[in-house]
Amino acid sequence: EDQVTQSPEALRLQEGESSSLNCSYTVSGLRGLFWYRQDPGKGPEFLFTLYSAGEEKEKERLKATLTKKESFLHITAPKPEDSATYLCAVQAKGGSQGNLIFGKGTKLSVKP
Amino acid sequence: GAVVSQHPSWVICKSGTSVKIECRSLDFQATTMFWYRQFPKQSLMLMATSNEGSKATYEQGVEKDKFLINHASLTLSTLTVTSAHPEDSSFYICSASQGGAVNQPQHFGDGTRLSIL
Repeated sequence: EDQVTQSPEALRLQEGESSSLNCSYTVSGLRGLFWYRQDPGKGPEFLFTLYSAGEEKEKERLKATLTKKESFLHITAPKPEDSATYLCAVQAKGGSQGNLIFGKGTKLSVKP
Repeated sequence: GAVVSQHPSWVICKSGTSVKIECRSLDFQATTMFWYRQFPKQSLMLMATSNEGSKATYEQGVEKDKFLINHASLTLSTLTVTSAHPEDSSFYICSASQGGAVNQPQHFGDGTRLSIL
């Protein structure tokens, strides 16, 4: 069964304290892995797409990496405005376009 | 680019009422849109895929007569929750992909908080 597990469930950091969020997945052929940011009461905001192991994407303080079993979202020197829930989703080969399998997310809190 | 707008943001209504939620792609055309449901502290769960000009495809366990989907144009899909009951209270979110490739990212609206009294 295709599955996505994110850890930790919650993460509290001090401003400037770098860390990583984990997304482990089991899927019968990966078509793509997506990272989103979701603020309370809002829809997910697209961050990155990763398609193959070894691929990396960067945007400001965020860097996403991908292996055959997991993806990491590295946050360098976070700021309070980076506080949000970060969602990971995978799309399996053979699935319909809409069949994104989401993890439950990691709630990140960055204290000033 | 790739902006998806959803309306209304929140709805409070009595049990038995039908509620319509609109999802629009503002700066691109979307032949396919998606409807998700999210419970507190839970994952987004795909409910159905909305196809322009044809019937929606529903995920297993989702009642098609309960959740009516219409995708009448390339920029608008609607979800109608018919005869809503308290157990239908949830956060409903739509999304759409820009471009034709199947592995393009989905862009999400800001969701609709539905509360049935």
